[in-house]
Amino acid sequence: GDSVTQMEGPVTLSEEAFLTINCTYTATGYPSLFWYVQYPGEGLQLLLKATKADDKGSNKGFEATYRKETTSFHLEKGSVQVSDSAVYFCALSYQGDTDKLIFGTGTRLQVFP
Amino acid sequence: EAQVTQNPRYLITVTGKKLTVTCSQNMNHEYMSWYRQDPGLGLRQIYYSMNVEVTDKGDVPEGYKVSRKEKRNFPLILESPSPNQTSLYFCASRVGGAETQYFGPGTRLLVL
Repeated sequence: GDSVTQMEGPVTLSEEAFLTINCTYTATGYPSLFWYVQYPGEGLQLLLKATKADDKGSNKGFEATYRKETTSFHLEKGSVQVSDSAVYFCALSYQGDTDKLIFGTGTRLQVFP
Repeated sequence: EAQVTQNPRYLITVTGKKLTVTCSQNMNHEYMSWYRQDPGLGLRQIYYSMNVEVTDKGDVPEGYKVSRKEKRNFPLILESPSPNQTSLYFCASRVGGAETQYFGPGTRLLVL
């Protein structure tokens, strides 16, 4: 079946460091890929998405490229801030009637000043 | 403000005592879902609904019930809660034809 694998956390960085959070997926079809972010005590918010191969999603300085050849959707940011500290979830879905997002286990990012 | 609301936000209960977690959205979304979040497992879908009176099971439906009598509301019912249902629960909604889901703030449930 379909699945999403994320790197284990926590990821601990100093402010202004470069961030990469790895995400790979297994899919039987051609899903859309997402990164959601969960700030402390809050629900999940969509950070960015890509709907087909080679698409790049970007938002708030974060980027991720849909790589079909490596089945990956790694999240990157050039210079993290303390306010980026959160849990990041990679997910996939197929548009249709099942309405299901398949999530990775989440990666906690901690950014220190 | 467009939002998904859940109540209560925190709940402590005992085994076997029926409870309901409410979910409401004001965006006129057709699709609504319930997820549970557990450490090391990410979020898993419990039930979803494509519209009023249309519901179906997700990946982990055992021990849960849902109903969709109105478009805006999608309550989650635990008729006889057990400790393995201790979790963080999220409601989500989206408009038909779109992929982006909007999540509520979560309900943290502890079953003793």
